Amino acid sequence: NAGVTQTPKFRVLKTGQSMTLLCAQDMNHEYMYWYRQDPGMGLRLIHYSVGEGTTAKGEVPDGYNVSRLKKQNFLLGLESAAPSQTSVYFCASSQTGGAGNQPQHFGDGTRLSIL
Amino acid sequence: SQQGEEDPQALSIQEGENATMNCSYKTSINNLQWYRQNSGRGLVHLILIRSNEREKHSGRLRVTLDTSKKSSSLLITASRAADTASYFCATASNGNQFYFGTGTSLTVIP
Repeated sequence: NAGVTQTPKFRVLKTGQSMTLLCAQDMNHEYMYWYRQDPGMGLRLIHYSVGEGTTAKGEVPDGYNVSRLKKQNFLLGLESAAPSQTSVYFCASSQTGGAGNQPQHFGDGTRLSIL
Repeated sequence: SQQGEEDPQALSIQEGENATMNCSYKTSINNLQWYRQNSGRGLVHLILIRSNEREKHSGRLRVTLDTSKKSSSLLITASRAADTASYFCATASNGNQFYFGTGTSLTVIP
């Protein structure tokens, strides 16, 4: 039982390049989330999904797109990377949303540097 | 922003001592959760306390919740070097999102 798996673990991009971060969960969870973690700012929600085929914006969605074509996968895309998007990105999943009294399960993160 | 705040930002104690960290938040909540993050790893869920609960225990962890003050505390008793990590609170209201605090960095000195 792998839980939540993120790929890649590290990546260096040049400004303007694009890339996709992949998150996969094997717990049959309905809800999936993408966060970014920056020093001194905790975790900020980028986008989330309440089920296959659905996505919604979080606190800091600009410059990112997401897709949830399969229940177990949640993709985060950067169309034109900017240095301000240098961060550690975490994916999480949960059986219910915040009000459902269930915990989130996190991957180990993708460390992304944009030069 | 609905982000909570942990206090203190950093805490250093000797092994065997108790560690207390606090979380304050801004809106009414359904539940509050505490997570641990070891260096270079993802967050791991520790304990969840519902809005109608005042105290909850799990092993060496004790969490209290005061909804009138919009605050929670996490107590780790008899700390160990392995407890060295960052600790985050997260709140959830009547929606799909979780709102994380800025974290407390705990160092336990052997």
